[in-house]
Amino acid sequence: AQKITQTQPGMFVQEKEAVTLDCTYDTSDQSYGLFWYKQPSSGEMIFLIYQGSYDEQNATEGRYSLNFQKARKSANLVISASQLGDSAMYFCAMRDLSNTGNQFYFGTGTSLTVIP
Amino acid sequence: NAGVMQNPRHLVRRRGQEARLRCSPMKGHSHVYWYRQLPEEGLKFMVYLQKENIIDESGMPKERFSAEFPKEGPSILRIQQVVRGDSAAYFCASSPTRDRGGYTFGSGTRLTVV
Repeated sequence: AQKITQTQPGMFVQEKEAVTLDCTYDTSDQSYGLFWYKQPSSGEMIFLIYQGSYDEQNATEGRYSLNFQKARKSANLVISASQLGDSAMYFCAMRDLSNTGNQFYFGTGTSLTVIP
Repeated sequence: NAGVMQNPRHLVRRRGQEARLRCSPMKGHSHVYWYRQLPEEGLKFMVYLQKENIIDESGMPKERFSAEFPKEGPSILRIQQVVRGDSAAYFCASSPTRDRGGYTFGSGTRLTVV
């Protein structure tokens, strides 16, 4: 069963507007972490933001915030005030934080294009 | 304060040749993870190593693929007798411990099999 689902293969946003990238996940673990990574056309994976399953507050990092809704098993990324440099692929990922969890599970990604 | 270093950035191999991908973790990091990204897909876990030990290789193909992380030197992902389907981006990540947070990825090696 797919652990991470990103249903938006491509998104467009006007420069300076906000955009939400969707991510839903599936796990029976009690303790897990949710992550977002950015992959620009140059190919590297850049860590953006992290949310722990027991964190009560939604994570924020500058223009990035994570809209965490545990009951709905969703962890959407919100980018405020979009910039042209935000155009990239965005991957949602989950990691089991128990002693047995060794790997990240990644979604298939969302391609974001910021329009000037 | 270098990040995770992977080389080469691009590697072209003919079918049947061997590919060696290198990963130098961040200074002080003793845990290394390899992931593969096929075109149009997210990253898929391959193997997790600590110095001189393979901890979890549940994502490694059973044949032709091997990984090591020796006491000295970089971690090596080795693919023998490459086939076209091995063409992908291979990412390495490292962490200081088997901790709860995220880890730092390298820039990847793009393997093309011709």
